[in-house]
Amino acid sequence: QSALTQPASVSGSPGQSITISCTGTSSDVGGYNYVSWYQQHPGKAPKLMIYEVSNRPSGVSNRFSGSKSGNTASLTISGLQAEDEADYYCSSYTSSSTLGVFGGGTKLTVL
Amino acid sequence: QVTLKESGPVLVKPTETLTLTCTVSGFSLSNARMGVSWIRQPPGKALEWLAHIFSNDEKSYSTSLKSRLTISKDTSKSQVVLTMTNMDPVDTATYYCARLLNWNYDYWGQGTLVTVSS
Repeated sequence: QSALTQPASVSGSPGQSITISCTGTSSDVGGYNYVSWYQQHPGKAPKLMIYEVSNRPSGVSNRFSGSKSGNTASLTISGLQAEDEADYYCSSYTSSSTLGVFGGGTKLTVL
Repeated sequence: QVTLKESGPVLVKPTETLTLTCTVSGFSLSNARMGVSWIRQPPGKALEWLAHIFSNDEKSYSTSLKSRLTISKDTSKSQVVLTMTNMDPVDTATYYCARLLNWNYDYWGQGTLVTVSS
């Protein structure tokens, strides 16, 4: 069982917006602004899409945005495109001895 | 250009020890702001963080696997090594190394699939 909770799947039609949630505790998501999001296409390594809650690395589309409220972080993808279909994982710094934790992943299907 | 590349055996037998090497380029393992993590992903399953090591040699391990893992680095060779003892078929997974910068995994290796089977 992952320490961060994500929905197993979400779906949307091209052009729509979707939001993926990532729920933790005050020891991780809620306590620090070190939440990141990763996109993983089948057979590929994960790719950093959002870092420190809401920042986009260079080269990542501005259709991807991140936010946080309390112990829940969110990734929003607007103007869905077929290429966005992938698995998405959140990660957070945690004050526990492990220092790092991932969510269970969310499969995004573009209908 | 930052790159990371994992290397090691593709097949190990149950009870054996797995040794994986991550060779990095484009940055130094002595950079105070950076670390390297090992993360694995069983087929069809989620990412699982295993361990990381920082420039000052500080290390951290997954609580559930701590007794089986050792992470180390050789800065002169730009390599980070992970050993996992007493391998079991449930440890079959793709093993990734990734650069850790401000608690973000900004660069990843391509991953290496390790199968545990007799």
